[in-house]
Amino acid sequence: GQNIDQPTEMTATEGAIVQINCTYQTSGFNGLFWYQQHAGEAPTFLSYNVLDGLEEKGRFSSFLSRSKGYSYLLLKELQMKDSASYLCAVKDGDYKLSFGAGTTVTVRA
Amino acid sequence: GAVVSQHPSWVICKSGTSVKIECRSLDFQATTMFWYRQFPKQSLMLMATSNEGSKATYEQGVEKDKFLINHASLTLSTLTVTSAHPEDSSFYICSARGTGGETEAFFGQGTRLTVV
Repeated sequence: GQNIDQPTEMTATEGAIVQINCTYQTSGFNGLFWYQQHAGEAPTFLSYNVLDGLEEKGRFSSFLSRSKGYSYLLLKELQMKDSASYLCAVKDGDYKLSFGAGTTVTVRA
Repeated sequence: GAVVSQHPSWVICKSGTSVKIECRSLDFQATTMFWYRQFPKQSLMLMATSNEGSKATYEQGVEKDKFLINHASLTLSTLTVTSAHPEDSSFYICSARGTGGETEAFFGQGTRLTVV
């Protein structure tokens, strides 16, 4: 089975930076995803890491260290619309995704 | 990104009845579709994996006779919740992966099922 841990909640101010950590212990690893999910909606894809290092995509960046079983999602220049749940998901060799419980980010003015 | 359409977006049904949820890939062929369930304030839990033309693979603890999955074509998979009970009330989400080996799975909009 997979064990994926991420903080439950985080709060930050508009314009600030927030880093959401994710640690995982998995029986197989074939990549790590970050998704954004607003309440009552389906997840939307943010990033995918399969090699160690940092992937940058606009205001969002994601980092992976496979040896440490660790990833983070960095949100820069926070906007009110970034208030959402952020899900860390690990893909096994059969393309099955196991999700963390999600981190609820609240952006305050 | 590719588009996955899920229908209906919400449904209310009486206890004991069956409900069918459709998941369609609109602009690509999906060899594999996944069905998830999400309870309030919890993460997505994989229920089953379906491959076109073959039987679905269910995750441990998911009753295959209660949650019937059919993946009859490369663009359509259906999930039927049979003899629904209030505890089946949840948010059901499908995702699809194309034949091109994309690393990203595309999600449908989700279906909010309420059993009364």
